[in-house]
Amino acid sequence: LAKTTQPISMDSYEGQEVNITCSHNNIATNDYITWYQQFPSQGPRFIIQGYKTKVTNEVASLFIPADRKSSTLSLPRVSLSDTAVYYCLVGEGQWDTDKLIFGTGTRLQVFP
Amino acid sequence: GAVVSQHPSRVICKSGTSVKIECRSLDFQATTMFWYRQFPKQSLMLMATSNEGSKATYEQGVEKDKFLINHASLTLSTLTVTSAHPEDSSFYICSARQDSNEKLFFGSGTQLSVL
Repeated sequence: LAKTTQPISMDSYEGQEVNITCSHNNIATNDYITWYQQFPSQGPRFIIQGYKTKVTNEVASLFIPADRKSSTLSLPRVSLSDTAVYYCLVGEGQWDTDKLIFGTGTRLQVFP
Repeated sequence: GAVVSQHPSRVICKSGTSVKIECRSLDFQATTMFWYRQFPKQSLMLMATSNEGSKATYEQGVEKDKFLINHASLTLSTLTVTSAHPEDSSFYICSARQDSNEKLFFGSGTQLSVL
């Protein structure tokens, strides 16, 4: 399983774009990159998943360079409700077949 | 999206008692369920993987006799914390998926406080 490294915390203000980068230097060919969001006292919630290049949905964008050794989660125009912990996970196959191992995550604090 | 219901959301118990936590997939059949625990300000730690109709696979360092997992049906898995002690106080989270090619959905978690 590829190990991931993320910043422990980030601060932002409402309306700004937030980019959280995750390093996964030993990502394998079959690995996908998945991001989850977790609010206090709640279970994680799926945000976005990608394999290469760029993926966009109604919530976020995910940028993956050609070497796939890192990925960047982009949250456009954050609001106070985006304050949460964001986890980057790397796993074999589109959905990790056996285990989903969470790293330390990035604690995003959005200020008014 | 699919819904995973976890119950109770919060439980307080005395030291030495056992506590059962339920995880239900409400609109899909979950062949596999995972149980995690999370301490304050820390990440989720995988405890065990549960496949319907078979024994759970526990991660290294997790006592299987203390954390009993039962996955008797395709929509229900239970985690029983036996003879709970204060150090077992934690946030327990389950997740479920229909099969290995499907997205994983998480329950809302159970906060266990052992006095």
